[in-house]
Amino acid sequence: GNSVTQMEGPVTLSEEAFLTINCTYTATGYPSLFWYVQYPGEGLQLLLKATKADDKGSNKGFEATYRKETTSFHLEKGSVQVSDSAVYFCALSDRGTDKLIFGTGTRLQVFP
Amino acid sequence: KAGVTQTPRYLIKTRGQQVTLSCSPISGHRSVSWYQQTPGQGLQFLFEYFSETQRNKGNFPGRFSGRQFSNSRSEMNVSTLELGDSALYLCASSTEGQHSYEQYFGPGTRLTVT
Repeated sequence: GNSVTQMEGPVTLSEEAFLTINCTYTATGYPSLFWYVQYPGEGLQLLLKATKADDKGSNKGFEATYRKETTSFHLEKGSVQVSDSAVYFCALSDRGTDKLIFGTGTRLQVFP
Repeated sequence: KAGVTQTPRYLIKTRGQQVTLSCSPISGHRSVSWYQQTPGQGLQFLFEYFSETQRNKGNFPGRFSGRQFSNSRSEMNVSTLELGDSALYLCASSTEGQHSYEQYFGPGTRLTVT
């Protein structure tokens, strides 16, 4: 079945450091891929998405590229801020349904 | 536009009781999905409703049920509560349902079963 694998956290960085959170997926067909972010005590917010191979999603300085050949959708940001501290979830959506399949989440902690 | 709202935000129940959670989607959104989030199992899909019909269902026991009203508001019910049902229950809405790709989440209802 479809699945998403994320790197385990926590990821601890200093402010202005470069961020990479790895995400790989297993899916039949061509799913859409997403990154969601969850701040403490809140629900999930859509951060960015990509709906086909080679698409690059971007938002708030975060980027991720849909790589079909490596079945990956790694999240990157050039310079993190303390306010980026949160849990990040990679997810895929099977094109046959609206069901989202999530990775286990990666906690990011950014220190000043 | 108002976001997805969920009520109540926090709930404490006793084993064996039942509970009903409510979700109001973004205006104009016709699809509502429910997810359970726990530290051990992560985020798991419960079910999805579109135009008052359950269209997809996850792997949860029959104690978990839901419905959707004509105004797209949705309720989720859990009967005969177990300790393991303690979780954050998230509702998400999307526009067209099929192939809409983007889901918008509410803040969740934190259910504690004692």
